[in-house]
Amino acid sequence: KAGVTQTPRYLIKTRGQQVTLSCSPISGHRSVSWYQQTPGQGLQFLFEYFSETQRNKGNFPGRFSGRQFSNSRSEMNVSTLELGDSALYLCASSLGDLPGQGAEGYTFGSGTRLTVV
Amino acid sequence: GENVEQHPSTLSVQEGDSAVIKCTYSDSASNYFPWYKQELGKRPQLIIDIRSNVGEKKDQRIAVTLNKTAKHFSLHITETQPEDSAVYFCAAMRGGSYIPTFGRGTSLIVHP
Repeated sequence: KAGVTQTPRYLIKTRGQQVTLSCSPISGHRSVSWYQQTPGQGLQFLFEYFSETQRNKGNFPGRFSGRQFSNSRSEMNVSTLELGDSALYLCASSLGDLPGQGAEGYTFGSGTRLTVV
Repeated sequence: GENVEQHPSTLSVQEGDSAVIKCTYSDSASNYFPWYKQELGKRPQLIIDIRSNVGEKKDQRIAVTLNKTAKHFSLHITETQPEDSAVYFCAAMRGGSYIPTFGRGTSLIVHP
């Protein structure tokens, strides 16, 4: 069973540019969540998509957006990049169809390391 | 919303010692508490979890305890080994949620 696949693994962008990251969930998983991880800040929740709809959203500016396709693959976009956006961006997938079912199957991808220069 | 506090942020032990990481949560409706281990340069991976109807769960050298009254839960690692060195994240999840709330992580360093 394939895991969660994130592409690309590494990105270097300059300030002001925009970037799109991709996440393919485990087959059958319909929920995809995105996190920003920086040293000392832990895992900061960006948003979650389920069946092509944003179901949950964290406290990030509107420059951060995402979408989910009918095959459950998800993309995250960051516009007008700032130096502070440099981070590891992780996505996690889960079945997501019943609340309170815990994080069973809440599986992370290996992440995309974004560096803004 | 839920808030999860995790301590300590860094924990240094000698090989063979025990390590304990503690988390507190704010939402009394939380009923599921997973722990993730993230080795350097790798993805976080679930290592153990516990539900609110259980007070303790063990898996070989790791165990998790839960005190619902005090709203805290802990990860215990016995006979630590250098390969236990990693960042450990606790999380809490309530019945009506689809998303776990994570603590800020604990960097565990096991010295040979």
